[in-house]
Amino acid sequence: DAGVTQSPTHLIKTRGQHVTLRCSPISGHKSVSWYQQVLGQGPQFIFQYYEKEERGRGNFPDRFSARQFPNYSSELNVNALLLGDSALYLCASSPDLATDTQYFGPGTRLTVL
Amino acid sequence: AQKITQTQPGMFVQEKEAVTLDCTYDTSDPSYGLFWYKQPSSGEMIFLIYQGSYDQQNATEGRYSLNFQKARKSANLVISASQLGDSAMYFCAMRGVSQGGSEKLVFGKGTKLTVNP
Repeated sequence: DAGVTQSPTHLIKTRGQHVTLRCSPISGHKSVSWYQQVLGQGPQFIFQYYEKEERGRGNFPDRFSARQFPNYSSELNVNALLLGDSALYLCASSPDLATDTQYFGPGTRLTVL
Repeated sequence: AQKITQTQPGMFVQEKEAVTLDCTYDTSDPSYGLFWYKQPSSGEMIFLIYQGSYDQQNATEGRYSLNFQKARKSANLVISASQLGDSAMYFCAMRGVSQGGSEKLVFGKGTKLTVNP
């Protein structure tokens, strides 16, 4: 079975631009979570979506938004990019809202110049 | 709020030897879960092992075992018979609750493990 997939793998943007990152969960998984991992740190929670609704949000500004589609895939959008948004963005899926294990994709490495 | 502390920025081990990676946690929840993930240089977080707070026995998965000491609030990862492919970042995490009430993972800063031939 295919794991969590993310696209693109790498992305370079300039300050002020916006970016859209995409994630496809493991087949049968209905919950998708997004994490930001800056260099030298552990991942930090951004959002969780389940059944197309936002179910959880971390301490990130409103420039960050996301959505989930009927096929459970998800997009993370970041507007007005700042240099500090440079990070590895990880998507994780789990079968439902309250489950023990989240499975991660390979991530999208975003560089903001 | 939940907090994970990993005090070892880097660890070195000889191939075929065992190594212990430290993790301490803090939470006020009576029920919680603890996880270990491996992150190679490629970036993907690979799930290794899970321990529930009410599990009676320490979790094991192949060469990985979790030394869970509830009173000390520690959940150390033990890797036996280290292999060169074990060289990676290792993250300890616990289940927390986000704004909105959904579950999230709270991660430590990680430990970089290097296995020497």
